[in-house]
Amino acid sequence: IAGITQAPTSQILAAGRRMTLRCTQDMRHNAMYWYRQDLGLGLRLIHYSNTAGTTGKGEVPDGYSVSRANTDDFPLTLASAVPSQTSVYFCASSRDSRTEAFFGQGTRLTVV
Amino acid sequence: DQQVKQNSPSLSVQEGRISILNCDYTNSMFDYFLWYKKYPAEGPTFLISISSIKDKNEDGRFTVFLNKSAKHLSLHIVPSQPGDSAVYFCAAYGNDMRFGAGTRLTVKP
Repeated sequence: IAGITQAPTSQILAAGRRMTLRCTQDMRHNAMYWYRQDLGLGLRLIHYSNTAGTTGKGEVPDGYSVSRANTDDFPLTLASAVPSQTSVYFCASSRDSRTEAFFGQGTRLTVV
Repeated sequence: DQQVKQNSPSLSVQEGRISILNCDYTNSMFDYFLWYKKYPAEGPTFLISISSIKDKNEDGRFTVFLNKSAKHLSLHIVPSQPGDSAVYFCAAYGNDMRFGAGTRLTVKP
């Protein structure tokens, strides 16, 4: 089934550890996004990529990095996790920057 | 500084009545707007969109209205059904896609 897959679905992480959240799509979409969802704040954009090989910063990029080596994959890395990064993370993709986005099921991350 | 604002955290309506969800934005570079629906433990799913060259778009029970001069859009659901109960997010495209904080809609039987 075509779609967008995130892994892991949930994770408990010790503060200071490095963590990579994985995101893969098989729809050959050009644009991909990472959001975090926090109560009362909705979905806030962390990083995005309009096409393979390019990335951009969103609203809350500090403490996160991304890469887009190919069309399908868009991993999000926390270099040194802090408790404020406890959140639900959603990856999304869209054909281009003015079309509907498809979202993964989310990764629930708890930093302790 | 959130550029997309949904000022009502929650809304409760009776089944069969109209639900109106509102969204305001501050960035005049936004030119494409979308509504997403989210159920618990799932990712958001696309509902309806509108380009800035239009002021209305309709899809079945869902209609989105855009007032560019007021930087305001709204989603109308008529008639509302209990299955519409979810969190609704407004989103806007400029250089990237930004979301509001969401409105939790509860439709009571």
